[in-house]
Amino acid sequence: AQKITQTQPGMFVQEKEAVTLDCTYDTSDQSYGLFWYKQPSSGEMIFLIYQGSYDEQNATEGRYSLNFQKARKSANLVISASQLGDSAMYFCAMRALYNQGGKLIFGQGTELSVKP
Amino acid sequence: DVKVTQSSRYLVKRTGEKVFLECVQDMDHENMFWYRQDPGLGLRLIYFSYDVKMKEKGDIPEGYSVSREKKERFSLILESASTNQTSMYLCASSPPGRVYEQYFGPGTRLTVT
Repeated sequence: AQKITQTQPGMFVQEKEAVTLDCTYDTSDQSYGLFWYKQPSSGEMIFLIYQGSYDEQNATEGRYSLNFQKARKSANLVISASQLGDSAMYFCAMRALYNQGGKLIFGQGTELSVKP
Repeated sequence: DVKVTQSSRYLVKRTGEKVFLECVQDMDHENMFWYRQDPGLGLRLIYFSYDVKMKEKGDIPEGYSVSREKKERFSLILESASTNQTSMYLCASSPPGRVYEQYFGPGTRLTVT
């Protein structure tokens, strides 16, 4: 069975500093994808970044990067130069790439608060 | 832009009522999903569908059913609402061939009293 664990219910970071949100996963699939989503207080889920299990390079999207350590089964999100607008819930998610119809398994979420 | 819409942002229903939550996407996506979100539990998959009239149970299907008569519309049905179904419900859709993308609707916050 697949499982995603986010052990940080809440995090604080000072504006302009970098922050790392932790995510570990468990799966028996060989091919899988890892995702991070942002959910602001408005409730919509915003896709941030994706890492495939066979990707050799860590994914980056602007200020977001995914620190993928396959042997440790971790997929931490790094946000550089935090902004006040980064305050939100962040969810790590995973899916098997070639079966199960694309369903995502989500972690419990981490609430990030950026202080001015 | 891909758009996933949900029929209501907020809904209040009484115990025992039949509740319909509607989701519509406008980008011809094959895959559609219903999740519920609860504090401390993240999002949990209720049902998903990868074609018209096709449905698959997710992780927590008990007390729910779904309907997909048209490709763009995926409905979640609570046959007899109970207070433990008070939650945020999120619909998502995924385009064919791009397995890493799921687009979410704005969510429906359902309260069952």
